[in-house]
This record gives sequence, C-alpha cells and structure tokens, in this order.
Amino acid sequence: TQLLEQSPQFLSIQEGENLTVYCNSSSVFSSLQWYRQEPGEGPVLLVTVVTGGEVKKLKRLTFQFGDARKDSSLHITAAQPGDTGLYLCAGARDSNYQLIWGAGTKLIIKP
Amino acid sequence: SQTIHQWPATLVQPVGSPLSLECTVEGTSNPNLYWYRQAAGRGLQLLFYSVGIGQISSEVPQNLSASRPQDRQFILSSKKLLLSDSGFYLCAWSEWDSNQPQHFGDGTRLSIL
Repeated sequence: TQLLEQSPQFLSIQEGENLTVYCNSSSVFSSLQWYRQEPGEGPVLLVTVVTGGEVKKLKRLTFQFGDARKDSSLHITAAQPGDTGLYLCAGARDSNYQLIWGAGTKLIIKP
Repeated sequence: SQTIHQWPATLVQPVGSPLSLECTVEGTSNPNLYWYRQAAGRGLQLLFYSVGIGQISSEVPQNLSASRPQDRQFILSSKKLLLSDSGFYLCAWSEWDSNQPQHFGDGTRLSIL
C-alpha cells in the first residue's frame, strides 16, 4: 500500500507567522498536487509540481517537490486568516488513474 | 468550460433505506470519474473510480455500489444504508492523465439516523 504521510495534522497559529506543511512517502510520484478545501465544499487545486527539486510560488505560498520526487512541502509566509482551511497533498503515478492522498492538515489562522 | 454538479447537498436517511447520489459533468468527454468519502477535517477515501461507461473499479468493500450509465454521469447507490455510511461524499472528474488535477463537486453531507 502506498502511503503519503502528511504533517502536521492540525495547526493553529497567529496571523503573521510562518508555517510549513510536509508530505512524505517512500514511493516516487510522477507529480504532486496540493489542494485547499473550505468547509462544506470540495477541494480546489492550488498547484501541481512535476520536476524533482521544483519550486513554485503562489503569492505567499511556496511549494517544493523533493529531488527524488518522494516528498513535498508547502510553506506559507505571513499567514492570513484567509489561509484558514484544510490543505491536502496528493501524489500521482503514471501507471495509475488514482491519486494517493495525504490525511490533510487543518490550518487555523487567528487574527 | 467544464462544470461538475453533485446533488443533493444534504441528505438525512434512516438506517436500512436506499441511497442514490448523482454526479454529472459538463464540458468534457470521456472523463475519469471518482467517488470519495471524507471524514470531518480529514483526507479523502477513494470509494470508486471509472475510466469509461460501464467500467467501475471498487477500492473499499462495503454496501455501496457505483454505476456510470452515461459518459458524464456517475451514480453512488446503496440498497440498505448503515449508520457507518454517514459522511461527506465527494464526486470528482479528471482528464485521462493521472497527473492532471481532479475537479470536485461541492459534496453531499449524508446523515444516517
């Protein structure tokens, strides 16, 4: 069974602080996707990283794919209350139609 | 542009009753379709996926079933609901390439009494 371990499970911090969410696996992925989900809605894609070592930035969010394509991180700089939500990582493999999902990080940013 | 519709948004059903949740996609052809269940604040559990009409793969043994009677229609069913079937059900579609993102409906909150 392929696992994608996501940590931390829960994070509550003050506005303006920085944070990092990690997704780790012993399996190699062809790409790694990050989603954000609001309560009562479906997840929405934030970014896809494809190349080992790739770094993508989305405003205050920085996504990195590990060199070996087994792990990824999401770093948020100067977190805002609007960043509150459930963050999910998902790994793709070329030979499979399914995504391997992390368990999610519930992020709360307090004003 | 592509859209995905999932209904109903909320459903309350008694134990032992049947279930039918429907999902339709517009604006694309031959999508991969997925049914997920999600516990509160947690990750997604894949229940079924389909790569074409009449082709259903089941990931988790349970009393649920899925059908794809048309290219862009995906239905989740049960003949007799259990208390443990309560949860948030999400339908999603993607292009054939697994590296393409999945696009989700707004989900159905199912409560079993």
